[in-house]
Amino acid sequence: ILNVEQSPQSLHVQEGDSTNFTCSFPSSNFYALHWYRWETAKSPEALFVMTLNGDEKKKGRISATLNTKEGYSYLYIKGSQPEDSATYLCASPTGGGNKLTFGTGTQLKVEL
Amino acid sequence: GAGVSQSPRYKVAKRGQDVALRCDPISGHVSLFWYQQALGQGPEFLTYFQNEAQLDKSGLPSDRFFAERPEGSVSTLKIQRTQQEDSAVYLCASSLRRESSYNEQFFGPGTRLTVL
Repeated sequence: ILNVEQSPQSLHVQEGDSTNFTCSFPSSNFYALHWYRWETAKSPEALFVMTLNGDEKKKGRISATLNTKEGYSYLYIKGSQPEDSATYLCASPTGGGNKLTFGTGTQLKVEL
Repeated sequence: GAGVSQSPRYKVAKRGQDVALRCDPISGHVSLFWYQQALGQGPEFLTYFQNEAQLDKSGLPSDRFFAERPEGSVSTLKIQRTQQEDSAVYLCASSLRRESSYNEQFFGPGTRLTVL
C-alpha cells in the first residue's frame, strides 16, 4: 500500500504571508504526483500533475516542486490571499494503475 | 463547458435504507472514478470504470456497495442497507483518456451522505 502523507494538517496565515506545505510519498515505483485545491462546497480543482524529478510548476502565485528520489513535493503560495483558503490535497497513482491515493490534506486559512 | 456533476448534493438516510448517488462525467471522458472521503481523511478509492467496463472495484468496502455505468457515461453508486460508518462525502471524477496516471482527473462537488 502506498502511503501519501501531508504536513501540516492545518495552517493559519495572514494576508500577504507566503507559505508552503509538504507532501511525502514512497519514492519507489513513482508514476506521478497530483496537487488539488478543494474549497468548501466546491469541486476539487487540479493544480498540477508532476512527473519528472526536479520538476517545478507554477500557476499564478502558486508553485510546486518535485523530488522523486527522496519522495517529497512542496507547494508554495506567495502573498496569500483570503481566496486561497482551501484544503490542499496531494495524490499519487497506486502501483501504476489509474486510482489515486490521497494524503489527508493541508487546510489553509488566510485571515485579513 | 459543463464539468462533472453529482446528485444529490446532500442525502440523509436512515440506517438500513438504500441510497443511489449519481455522477454525470464530462462528455467524452473515458475513465470514471468513485472515491469516499470520511471526516478528517483524504479521499479513498472505491472503483474505476473505463467506458462501461468496471475494471477495478477493489476499494468497495463491502458487498453492500455496487456501482454501474451501463452506457459508458452516467454512473450510479448504490449503497444497500446503509450503516452509520457509510457517512462520508462521495466524490466522482472523470478523465479523458484510459491511462490516467499522468492525466488530470476532474472532480464533481461530491454527495455528502449522512446515515442516522
